[in-house]
Amino acid sequence: KAGVTQTPRYLIKTRGQQVTLSCSPISGHRSVSWYQQTPGQGLQFLFEYFSETQRNKGNFPGRFSGRQFSNSRSEMNVSTLELGDSALYLCASRKGQGDTGELFFGEGSRLTVL
Amino acid sequence: AQSVAQPEDQVNVAEGNPLTVKCTYSVSGNPYLFWYVQYPNRGLQFLLKYITGDNLVKGSYGFEAEFNKSQTSFHLKKPSALVSDSALYFCAGISSGSARQLTFGSGTQLTVLP
Repeated sequence: KAGVTQTPRYLIKTRGQQVTLSCSPISGHRSVSWYQQTPGQGLQFLFEYFSETQRNKGNFPGRFSGRQFSNSRSEMNVSTLELGDSALYLCASRKGQGDTGELFFGEGSRLTVL
Repeated sequence: AQSVAQPEDQVNVAEGNPLTVKCTYSVSGNPYLFWYVQYPNRGLQFLLKYITGDNLVKGSYGFEAEFNKSQTSFHLKKPSALVSDSALYFCAGISSGSARQLTFGSGTQLTVLP
């Protein structure tokens, strides 16, 4: 069974640009979460979607947004990029919406902002 | 508010020796606790979880963790470390109450020396 797929794996942008990252969850998984990982801040929760609805949102500015499609695929968008947005963005899927299930992570999209 | 702490940024252990990676939590209500491992340039992989029941939880790759309510700890252990266990380990927790967001610790880099 295919795992969580994130695209692109690597990308370089300049300040002020915007970026869209994509995540395809494991087949049958309806919950998708996004995390930002940086050396200084560790893993920070961005948001979670379940059945196309945002279920929870972390403490990030409005420049960070996301959505989920009917096939459970998810995208996140960051507008007006800042240098501090350079990070590894991880997507994770889970079968149900219960909190006891383990998360299955993709390999991440590494964003570098110059 | 909930929080998860990993007091050690780095743990070194000799191959064949037992290893412990520490985690303490501050979660209201009954906690759900998880351990994940991250290898270089990869996403996180689930190791084990505590939801309820037996305080000693067994997981993947020979790892286990002990839930200690009085000490609010959930330390990860393995009787005999392998060089291949070298990786970044994350503890995570969530309250069974109203909080829906999984909180990760800052991570502990485990190095197993041959």
